Amino acid sequence: SQQGEEDPQALSIQEGENATMNCSYKTSINNLQWYRQNSGRGLVHLILIRSNEREKHSGRLRVTLDTSKKSSSLLITASRAADTASYFCGTIASGSARQLTFGSGTQLTVLP
Amino acid sequence: DAGVTQSPTHLIKTRGQQVTLRCSPKSGHDTVSWYQQALGQGPQFIFQYYEEEERQRGNFPDRFSGHQFPNYSSELNVNALLLGDSALYLCASSPGTMNQPQHFGDGTRLSIL
Repeated sequence: SQQGEEDPQALSIQEGENATMNCSYKTSINNLQWYRQNSGRGLVHLILIRSNEREKHSGRLRVTLDTSKKSSSLLITASRAADTASYFCGTIASGSARQLTFGSGTQLTVLP
Repeated sequence: DAGVTQSPTHLIKTRGQQVTLRCSPKSGHDTVSWYQQALGQGPQFIFQYYEEEERQRGNFPDRFSGHQFPNYSSELNVNALLLGDSALYLCASSPGTMNQPQHFGDGTRLSIL
């Protein structure tokens, strides 16, 4: 079963615009992680946010976490064509031994 | 510093056959997890190995088994292959401490005919 669900399923924007993706999950978590996957490749880790954190930044990426709503968002600012990829949120449930549970992802297309 | 490496990159099998996939973790990582990713879906957790033992298992049948060696490398074995086993199989490694990201390999694309 899938713990997290990303929204929207697909997003198409122009280069330079901001992209926002959302993730909802069902159970208590230790942390939530965002990954990027280019076509035919493995997942690349972007940001890990712990359950006691509310916001984290890394370069053009900003992640928020609202544990009361069991939701997270990923904001990519000033998007580039190279940001075109699928984005997944994965959660580590409380008490889990590091099993990541993913949603179906958001397919982001950045048009030049 | 090599990241997670998986072999082979592609594999074609027929129904009923058996397959072994291999994974070498990132240097310094002692925990290996395996995921199955069907086309258009997110990765699904198969199992995780730590100290050569299966520590946690997802909702996969016993046809899926694994092993971890003393050097932390790992194998995933699938018996009696079904058409539905066609997928990208991803290996991820992580260090022993909590709240650390997992590092993924580029996967093995398994096609069942």
